[in-house]
Amino acid sequence: GESVGLHLPTLSVQEGDNSIINCAYSNSASDYFIWYKQESGKGPQFIIDIRSNMDKRQGQRVTVLLNKTVKHLSLQIAATQPGDSAVYFCAENNSGGYQKVTFGTGTKLQVIP
Amino acid sequence: DVKVTQSSRYLVKRTGEKVFLECVQDMDHENMFWYRQDPGLGLRLIYFSYDVKMKEKGDIPEGYSVSREKKERFSLILESASTNQTSMYLCASSRSGTGGEKLFFGSGTQLSVL
Repeated sequence: GESVGLHLPTLSVQEGDNSIINCAYSNSASDYFIWYKQESGKGPQFIIDIRSNMDKRQGQRVTVLLNKTVKHLSLQIAATQPGDSAVYFCAENNSGGYQKVTFGTGTKLQVIP
Repeated sequence: DVKVTQSSRYLVKRTGEKVFLECVQDMDHENMFWYRQDPGLGLRLIYFSYDVKMKEKGDIPEGYSVSREKKERFSLILESASTNQTSMYLCASSRSGTGGEKLFFGSGTQLSVL
């Protein structure tokens, strides 16, 4: 079946460095991709999204890159801060029909002060 | 600020009990969702609703039912709770739109079935 997966379950980064979290997806029909951040004890929170007609989108300190050729998605966090420590999920959405979102299993980002 | 509110943060129930998890959103969203989150398995969709009184099965609907009598409220029902339903339950909502829309999540309900 279709799946969304992450390459690294845990990522440790020094404060101030850049973080890169990777995600592979397999549903070629997916056309909308989202990154969520989940802090301990909270529900996932939207960070940034990208549609399949783009290959890069930037937000505040975050950038999402989409490579449709190899079905790869990445989240880059610039100047990582302790408050960035959380679990990050990528999600794919096949917008045809109804909105069904498939989540990856998550990557835990640990920021070392 | 937009909000999805889940009625309970922690819940402890006994096997065989009927359990109601309530979710309310104040964003006038058409779509509402129930997920469960388990370590190593990520978020799995139980049921969703795209309109009042409408419901669709997600990936793991067995043992659950839902109710959406009002646009803002989406309830998840465990007809007869079992220990394998111990989990974190997350409610979410989104607008309807072509091309996909981001989800807004509640803080979750940690359910323990003893």
